[in-house]
Amino acid sequence: QVQLQESGPGLVKPSETLSLTCTVSGDSIRSYYWSWIRQPPGKGLEWIGYIYYSGTTDYNPSLMSRVTISVDTSKNQFYLKLSSVTAAETAVYYCARGGGSGGPGAFDIWGQGTMVTVFS
Amino acid sequence: SSELTQDPAVSVALGQTVRITCRGDSLRSYFASWFQQKPGQAPILVIYGQNKRPSGIPDRFSGSSSGDTASLTITAAQAEDEADYYCNSRDNTGNHVIFGGGTKLTVL
Repeated sequence: QVQLQESGPGLVKPSETLSLTCTVSGDSIRSYYWSWIRQPPGKGLEWIGYIYYSGTTDYNPSLMSRVTISVDTSKNQFYLKLSSVTAAETAVYYCARGGGSGGPGAFDIWGQGTMVTVFS
Repeated sequence: SSELTQDPAVSVALGQTVRITCRGDSLRSYFASWFQQKPGQAPILVIYGQNKRPSGIPDRFSGSSSGDTASLTITAAQAEDEADYYCNSRDNTGNHVIFGGGTKLTVL
């Protein structure tokens, strides 16, 4: 059974860099698209970006200048870095698996999510 | 940039059929995926591609598409179907993933 688990600091200061890790268990990361998605409290879902195991990435155009997603296949992990964060980016951050016949947005496996608060 | 538009809220009587819609230009070219999210939980994929259901999703959930509109239909809605539902797809460039704003489904 494939499982995803997010980890990282729950509190980040404004203007600093948010860094999260997603650990994939139960399957190899060497396939599929691996995404980060966030959800501010009481609001909808926003796709941040994805990485293919080969290292190919694609990002939400509205965040592209501040986002980096990377992968370490030896650890079966992928990562999110979001720089210059503001309080408006307080949200639950999810990692998710996409791809297969449904395309990169067919997120069939999700992590439980991790709450990140941007607060000084 | 592309957008996907959903009605903010929809209600259905227990046991009746409800359709939740998602509208956007990119849906003329790409299929939508549909997600169910209950309070405090991660979303769950319920429909993807051309009306495909992941393992474990009841067959009362079905998807369809016509022109710029994708629809999620729940036949004989159950109390446990009360949740937020989100569609997503690719944008007009085909490169990026976009989400609709979500629809809150109430089962009366």
